Amino acid sequence: DIQMTQSPSSLSASVGDRVTISCRASESVRTYLNWYQQKPGKAPKLLIYSASSLQSGVPSRFSGHGSATDFTLTISSLQPEDFATYYCQQSYRTPRTFGQGTKVEIK
Amino acid sequence: QVQLVESGGGLVKPGGSLRLSCAASGFTFSDYYMSWIRQAPGKGLEWVSYISSLSTLVDYADSVKGRFTISRDNADNSLYLQMNSLTADDTAVYYCARDRNAAGSDYWGQGTLVTVSS
Repeated sequence: DIQMTQSPSSLSASVGDRVTISCRASESVRTYLNWYQQKPGKAPKLLIYSASSLQSGVPSRFSGHGSATDFTLTISSLQPEDFATYYCQQSYRTPRTFGQGTKVEIK
Repeated sequence: QVQLVESGGGLVKPGGSLRLSCAASGFTFSDYYMSWIRQAPGKGLEWVSYISSLSTLVDYADSVKGRFTISRDNADNSLYLQMNSLTADDTAVYYCARDRNAAGSDYWGQGTLVTVSS
């Protein structure tokens, strides 16, 4: 199975900060990498697919980059509604493994 | 608008069985792969299974292979997950999701809680 490792596991940031979350795959997943946001008690929401494509309706402050094994999700200016847990997922091969999550908290 | 509504969760004893359902609306169900993803209490997301649009392709996580069966009824816009030989490790919220194959799961249901306990 392809292992997905996110870093950091959690971070504290302030409104307006630029935040970057990393995701590393144990082998190349080309650009078959997706990012999700999950708030407590809610279903995950797709933010980015195919490494860098912004899902319809997602604010442009979210962006994704990377290919092969190394990927990043960047929030250019953190907003109050962005405090949540973020997951990467590879869709290159089954099982479609997720990273362990990165919790973004208010500083 | 796209809606996915799961049902069938509940409390079941170890070794028992449960069948989850997911009712889809607002899109052409037969055009899409569908997936089940679960989340144990306080834990991360775990992909469980997917099924292709015409049921020709299915796959499972190793943790459920041989115990869970995914199926769909395109005439009824419904997705199912038959879960047998349940253990405490299967306790989780189970989400159904519309799957764009390599492009991620773009719509998710609200989830249904399965608790395996004696």
